[in-house]
Amino acid sequence: AQSVTQLDSQVPVFEEAPVELRCNYSSSVSVYLFWYVQYPNQGLQLLLKYLSGSTLVKGINGFEAEFNKSQTSFHLRKPSVHISDTAEYFCAVIRNTGGFKTIFGAGTRLFVKA
Amino acid sequence: DTGVSQDPRHKITKRGQNVTFRCDPISEHNRLYWYRQTLGQGPEFLTYFQNEAQLEKSRLLSDRFSAERPKGSFSTLEIQRTEQGDSAMYLCASSLVADSGNTIYFGEGSWLTVV
Repeated sequence: AQSVTQLDSQVPVFEEAPVELRCNYSSSVSVYLFWYVQYPNQGLQLLLKYLSGSTLVKGINGFEAEFNKSQTSFHLRKPSVHISDTAEYFCAVIRNTGGFKTIFGAGTRLFVKA
Repeated sequence: DTGVSQDPRHKITKRGQNVTFRCDPISEHNRLYWYRQTLGQGPEFLTYFQNEAQLEKSRLLSDRFSAERPKGSFSTLEIQRTEQGDSAMYLCASSLVADSGNTIYFGEGSWLTVV
């Protein structure tokens, strides 16, 4: 079975500062990894995904994430955040062979302050 | 190209009543999922359909919950004899079998409040 741990429940940061949201996963098999964003009272929107190849993946809204197999991590970064980035961010994992169930972490609330 | 559509968006019901949520997936998507999300938590998997076949149900899905996808298109999630602990957002998502990454796309969710 797979599991996801998001190490920070809340991350406050000032506007235009860089941010990193941390995600670690556990799995006995190879996986695909995802980051989703959720704005208040809305569903989840895909930010980016890692399937294979380059370990640095770029997504929408200037976000990027780096897959580190040895550390089983998939941290999300943005070099300069905006007020509009305030939202809940979820890391997710699915096994890459025969998988159909995406498993989500508990989420990290990013709060961008002016 | 429309996304995943859920109805109703909000439902307030009295304890003991039955409620039904509907989900219309992205039109060519043959996989459909129901998740439940409570405040401060990530989505928890409830059940999964491939076409009209329900292939897995979570232990979270008690016998008061039933989901159907009669023609492999839209799906319904019914909760019978609702309890206050059922209050949550119910999220529907869909994906394409041919998508090797099985990226799932979510609807806006249906909020349930049981009073």
